[in-house]
Parts: sequence; C-alpha cells; structure tokens
Amino acid sequence: GENVEQHPSTLSVQEGDSAVIKCTYSDSASNYFPWYKQELGKGPQLIIDIRSNVGEKKDQRIAVTLNKTAKHFSLHITETQPEDSAVYFCAARRNYGQNFVFGPGTRLSVLP
Amino acid sequence: DAGITQSPRHKVTETGTPVTLRCHQTENHRYMYWYRQDPGHGLRLIHYSYGVKDTDKGEVSDGYSVSRSKTEDFLLTLESATSSQTSVYFCAINGAGGSGNTIYFGEGSWLTVV
Repeated sequence: GENVEQHPSTLSVQEGDSAVIKCTYSDSASNYFPWYKQELGKGPQLIIDIRSNVGEKKDQRIAVTLNKTAKHFSLHITETQPEDSAVYFCAARRNYGQNFVFGPGTRLSVLP
Repeated sequence: DAGITQSPRHKVTETGTPVTLRCHQTENHRYMYWYRQDPGHGLRLIHYSYGVKDTDKGEVSDGYSVSRSKTEDFLLTLESATSSQTSVYFCAINGAGGSGNTIYFGEGSWLTVV
C-alpha cells in the first residue's frame, strides 16, 4: 500500500523567511496530493492541493510542486508570518473514493 | 465549512466502558471517515463508509466498530474502551473542492480513557 514520508518533523524560521516541507510517496498510481494546516485544538484544514497532471500550483504565498518521476512533492511558504505557525500534513490518494494516506506532519514555528 | 459536526467534543471515560462518537454532515456526501491522531503517527484511518450501511476497515480498526444508518450520520463505537484508545478522533468527508474531490475534517473529539 501507499506510504507517505514527510520531512522535516519540526521547522523553525524567522518571520519573512521561506519554509519548505517535503513529502515522498511510494505508490506511483497516486494522483492527488493535498496539504493541510492544523492549528492547535482544531481539525486539519485544506490549504492547497495538486493533481499529478500539474507540476506546480500557487496560491498567494503558498505553492506546491510535484515531481512524479522522483515521487515527491513539496510545500513552499514564502514571506512567513507568525500565523503560519501550525502543523502541516501532506497526503496522497489514488482515485476518488479511495483512502488518503497522510504523512506524520511537520510542526512549523515562525519566530517574530 | 464542510458542514461536519462531531459530538461529543470532549469526553473522559473509564476503562472497559462503551463509548460512541457521532459525526453528522449536512451536505449529503457519500464517503465518510474516522481517523485518530496521535503524536508521531499523524492521522490514521480507523473505518470508513461509502454509503448507507456500507463500511470498511482502515489500518487501525481493532477495538472499533462503526455504523451508518443514515447518509448524514456516521457513528464510531469503542465497545470496551482501553487506555490505548485515548486520542483525538476526527471525522472527515470526501467532497468537492480544491482541485477536485478532497477530504474535509471536523473539529475533532478528544477522548481520554482513564
């Protein structure tokens, strides 16, 4: 079955710097890759996603890149702000209705 | 807001007692999921449902059962709670959004088994 690894497990950056979180997946048939942000005491919230037919997607300060050959995808946050501090999860899925497999999460701290 | 409501949000129970967590959705989504979240393990799938009375096991289903008698409700039952089931439980639905059909989570149910 699918296995998703995520690195680093913790990440501290200065406010205004960029943050990058990387995930690798094992199942070459996976074709959908969402990213979630989880704030303390809340459920994970979708922040951006990408399909396998796209190499990069951007939404304001957040971008996701996908390398299908290497089976890895990355979350990029630019101009980080204190409110970006949270736990971020990546996930992979093959087809609609099939289960999502999540990475173990990255705790991002943005230092003022 | 994906229209997901979990109840109870917090519960403390004793070892050996039965516990039922409820997930209610308002948008008629076919797929519903129960995950547990533990430090170092991320989100792990317990059970999922693909329709009324249609359910299947996830990777950590031992000690849990589920039922879905109506589209809008998905119940997770711990028949005899153990301390290892102390966790945060998240319900999720698979609905349209983002680049397609993605998964949306409820706010979580914090369960402590003492």
